[in-house]
Amino acid sequence: GQQLNQSPQSMFIQEGEDVSMNCTSSSIFNTWLWYKQDPGEGPVLLIALYKAGELTSNGRLTAQFGTTRKDSFLNISASIPSDVGIYFCAGQLPSGAQKLVFGQGTRLTINP
Amino acid sequence: DTEVTQTPKHLVMGMTNKKSLKCEQHMGHRAMYWYKQKAKKPPELMFVYSYEKLSINESVPSRFSPECPNSSLLNLHLHALQPEDSALYLCASSQEGFSVTSTEAFFGQGTRLTVV
Repeated sequence: GQQLNQSPQSMFIQEGEDVSMNCTSSSIFNTWLWYKQDPGEGPVLLIALYKAGELTSNGRLTAQFGTTRKDSFLNISASIPSDVGIYFCAGQLPSGAQKLVFGQGTRLTINP
Repeated sequence: DTEVTQTPKHLVMGMTNKKSLKCEQHMGHRAMYWYKQKAKKPPELMFVYSYEKLSINESVPSRFSPECPNSSLLNLHLHALQPEDSALYLCASSQEGFSVTSTEAFFGQGTRLTVV
């Protein structure tokens, strides 16, 4: 099946540092979504991207839809303790109208 | 309001039990989904309902039986489950069905299912 390669798998940073994670694929995607999931909770949508090259911000979060439509990145600036969690990218294939393909997740840990 | 509500939050059931998971949304979304998530793994798609009709079944065993009584409700009926079916079951909804222009999928908090 389709796969999204998400990296890094885990990050250990100091509070206040910036964070960057990305997802790549060999397939073209129509949509990229970024989610954050806390333990025992459902994923929460952070940012949605619909156009190649699109750059979208949500507070301290910035995400971009790669120009090739095969990748996306998420940046978090000036990290704070509540940013801890697992971040997932998800993409929608052109032919898979209702199927989202998820990356394996990036686990973010912040040292105060 | 971007809320998807799932009940119960936790469920423990025996392998001979029959139980149901419930999901509700009032965003007017016409696509609803069931996902299964094991620990430290991404969500895996199980079923998709579009306009209250089952449109995708990802080869899920028949011991899982979905039902969409109306456009706001989605159920997952469970029967004769195995311990390996223990997982977080997530419901999601999105605005569109067949002709997708917006696939922002909103997730519920999930039901933590333990099969004993």
